[in-house]
Amino acid sequence: NAGVTQTPKFQVLKTGQSMTLQCAQDMNHEYMSWYRQDPGMGLRLIHYSVGAGITDQGEVPNGYNVSRSTTEDFPLRLLSAAPSQTSVYFCASTITPTRAETQYFGPGTRLLVL
Amino acid sequence: GQQVMQIPQYQHVQEGEDFTTYCNSSTTLSNIQWYKQRPGGHPVFLIQLVKSGEVKKQKRLTFQFGEAKKNSSLHITATQTTDVGTYFCAGGRYGNKLVFGAGTILRVKS
Repeated sequence: NAGVTQTPKFQVLKTGQSMTLQCAQDMNHEYMSWYRQDPGMGLRLIHYSVGAGITDQGEVPNGYNVSRSTTEDFPLRLLSAAPSQTSVYFCASTITPTRAETQYFGPGTRLLVL
Repeated sequence: GQQVMQIPQYQHVQEGEDFTTYCNSSTTLSNIQWYKQRPGGHPVFLIQLVKSGEVKKQKRLTFQFGEAKKNSSLHITATQTTDVGTYFCAGGRYGNKLVFGAGTILRVKS
C-alpha cells in the first residue's frame, strides 16, 4: 500500500491564482481530512469527509473548497490564493477518528503565496 | 469552540533526562491521540487513549488520560536524540472532529 499520497510537494502561487492540492489513499478509509500547519498553531482542520459524497467544514474553511467523488480521492481547491494561505497542508485518512484506529498523514504540500 | 492547550511550547533537555508534555481541554473529550512529527516530516500517530484514567506505555513513553477526560500527558523517560521532534495531542469530541494542540518542540542535547 502507498498509504496517503499528496501532490505537489511544493508550490509557489501568485495572489489571486487558483489551484488544486491532490490527496489519495489506497486503504479504503471512509474518513479523510485536510489540515494546515502554521508555526506555533499546530494543525487546524480545514475540511473533512466521512465518505464519498459527504463533506463538512472544519475550523478554518474559508477560501477552500473540497469534494469527495470517490473513496480514494479528496482534493482541496484554493479558489483565489492569498498570502495568508501560505502554509504546509496535510491530508489524513482513517477508518473513523473516534475509534482506536491509526490516522495516517500524507507527506504534505508546502505552499507559498506571493 | 473546543480548545486544546498544550504546554510547554518548547523544551531543550540533556540526553538522558526525562521529558513531559501536557495537554488540557476546555471540554470533556471522547478520546485523545498523540502524534510525533520529526523536523521536515509529517505527523505520525503514536497512540490513542479512550478510557478515563487510562495509562498506556510504549517502551520509554508513558501516556495518561485524566479521570475527567479533560487532560492528558506524555512522559518520555531517559530521552535519546531520536526523540527529537514536535509532539502533538489531539482531542476528539463525540463526533468526527479532532482538535490539535499547538505542539511541544523537543530538542535533545547529546
